[in-house]
This record gives sequence, C-alpha cells and structure tokens, in this order.
Amino acid sequence: EIVLTQSPGTLSLSPGERATLSCRASQSISRSFLVWYQQKPGQSPRLLIYGASNRATGIPDRFSGSGSGTDFTLTISSLEPEDFAVYYCQQYSTSPWTFGQGTKVEIK
Amino acid sequence: QVQLQESGPGLVKPSETLSLTCTVSGDSISSDYWNWIRQPPGKGLEWIGYIYYSGTTNYNPSLKSRVIISVDTSKKQFSLKLTSVTAADTAVYYCARWALHSGGYYYFDPWGQGTQVTVSP
Repeated sequence: EIVLTQSPGTLSLSPGERATLSCRASQSISRSFLVWYQQKPGQSPRLLIYGASNRATGIPDRFSGSGSGTDFTLTISSLEPEDFAVYYCQQYSTSPWTFGQGTKVEIK
Repeated sequence: QVQLQESGPGLVKPSETLSLTCTVSGDSISSDYWNWIRQPPGKGLEWIGYIYYSGTTNYNPSLKSRVIISVDTSKKQFSLKLTSVTAADTAVYYCARWALHSGGYYYFDPWGQGTQVTVSP
C-alpha cells in the first residue's frame, strides 16, 4: 500500500498569504495519478487538482499543483477567506487507492 | 449533471451488518466506477472499494473480508454491506463516482453529501 504523508498537519496563515502544502508518497507514483481535494466542515470533499497539476473546472488560478515521483505540492498563492479548509492528496497509482491524512489550513 | 445520494440507517449495533445505498441521478450508472469512501470522526478519508457497472469489484484489503458492494443498474443504485461492525466503523460514509476524463485522468467526482453511521449498542 502506498502511504501518503502530508505536511504540515496544520498551517496557520492570514488571508493574502501564500500556502504551501506537501504530499510525500512512500514510493514513486506517476504524476498522472495524484489528485488533491478540499474539504470544508460538514461538506463532502471537492475536487481541486488532478494529474498533479491540472485545475478542475471552476477552481481559481490561485490554486496550483506541482511535483513528481514521491514529492507533490499544492500551492495557494494568496489565501482567500473561503480557502481555509482541510486539503487531502490521493493516489491511484496502486490499489488500494489511498489518501493523505490531510493538512488543515486555518486562519492565524 | 450527476448527483449521488446516500441512504440507510444511521445507527447499527455492534456485530451487525451496515447497509447503505447510493442513488445516482442525472446520468447513467452503466459506465464508470462507483465507490464507497468513509471518514471516521475527526479523521481522514479511507477508500472502501468500488464496483464497475458490469459488476467487477475492487476492495481495500483492510476491509475486504467484511465488504460487499453491489449494483442495481435498473434502479440506478449501488450498495454497501459491511459485516461484523464495531465502534471503529463509526464514520461518515460517502459514495463517489470514479470516471475516466479527457487526458486519461481519473478522479472522485462527484461525491454524495455523506451519511453518518454510528455503531453503538
């Protein structure tokens, strides 16, 4: 099973600041098989980024994804109030598909 | 657009079987992969498994001995049965579509709103 480790666990930032979230895989995965989701309290996860760097429909361009191999990054260039949430990475390179434990982006 | 809605009992007794149904609207169920994912309180997401519309299944090995996912294409529903539940199975259970998109990418979208299931005597 591929383990995805996200860091940091919690990121305390102010609106307007840049957020950098990390997702590290226990073994190399194709960038095509790495996805990011956003989850707000009481809501279902929402697709953000697929194929490591492709924004889903309707996702603002302040969200960007990068990385390859075992290290992937989600960047929010300038935090808006609605971006404070939990972010999960997910891989489907190898079954079982797995998620990282999440990074919570909270208001400082 | 496709919408998914989970339904089923919110309370299950220990050692009994958890049964949930996901109803698909807005599109055919006769394509794509239909998944169950759960989230224990305050924790992250765990993929349970999927069923392809043809009936092929793939389960997470951590739950494989207790899980059955089935599909009824005529009703546009797929279902989850999890046997011998314990308190550790208390979670919000989501259904989600896994489909091939342009460029050869897959992802979970859309998701149902989720249903809370509590395992308690």
